[in-house]
Amino acid sequence: TQLLEQSPQFLSIQEGENLTVYCNSSSVFSSLQWYRQEPGEGPVLLVTVVTGGEVKKLKRLTFQFGDARKDSSLHITAAQPGDTGLYLCAGPSNAGGTSYGKLTFGQGTILTVHP
Amino acid sequence: KAGVTQTPRYLIKTRGQQVTLSCSPISGHRSVSWYQQTPGQGLQFLFEYFSETQRNKGNFPGRFSGRQFSNSRSEMNVSTLELGDSALYLCASSLYIGAGNTIYFGEGSWLTVV
Repeated sequence: TQLLEQSPQFLSIQEGENLTVYCNSSSVFSSLQWYRQEPGEGPVLLVTVVTGGEVKKLKRLTFQFGDARKDSSLHITAAQPGDTGLYLCAGPSNAGGTSYGKLTFGQGTILTVHP
Repeated sequence: KAGVTQTPRYLIKTRGQQVTLSCSPISGHRSVSWYQQTPGQGLQFLFEYFSETQRNKGNFPGRFSGRQFSNSRSEMNVSTLELGDSALYLCASSLYIGAGNTIYFGEGSWLTVV
């Protein structure tokens, strides 16, 4: 069974601070995705990383996929209150050697950015 | 284009009852998957449908079932509800089935079992 472990579980910071969220696994993933979920809403895809060592930037958010494709990180620079939400990493699960749309999710990181 | 639509958004049921949740995927999307989200277990995969066939199933008891219609719309059913079934049920759709596929989530159906 492929598991994804996220850390930290909770993060409470002041506006303007930087932060990093980690997503680790003992299994290799063909790709990893990061989602953000706001209260009462479904998760929204932020980025998909596919190549080991890949770095993607989305405004103040920087995503990195580990060289061995077993881990990923999300770094937010100068966090803003609008960044508040649940951040989830997810990767496709393998079933009998064929990947379907089934995703394995990490437990999530609840980020609160105070003004 | 319209996103994934789930109905109802909120519902309250009594233990032992059954519930049916509906999902309309994004137009043109043929794959629909369902997830259960709880504070303790996080997001867990329930099942995935493509072309009216269940392609993958998560580790949930047989009380959880689903189906997909020819227009790609999907329903999931939970019978003999238990308190532990209280959760946010999320539907997601995608163009096709396979790795690297981008899935789009609906806003979910909040189920409370009392």
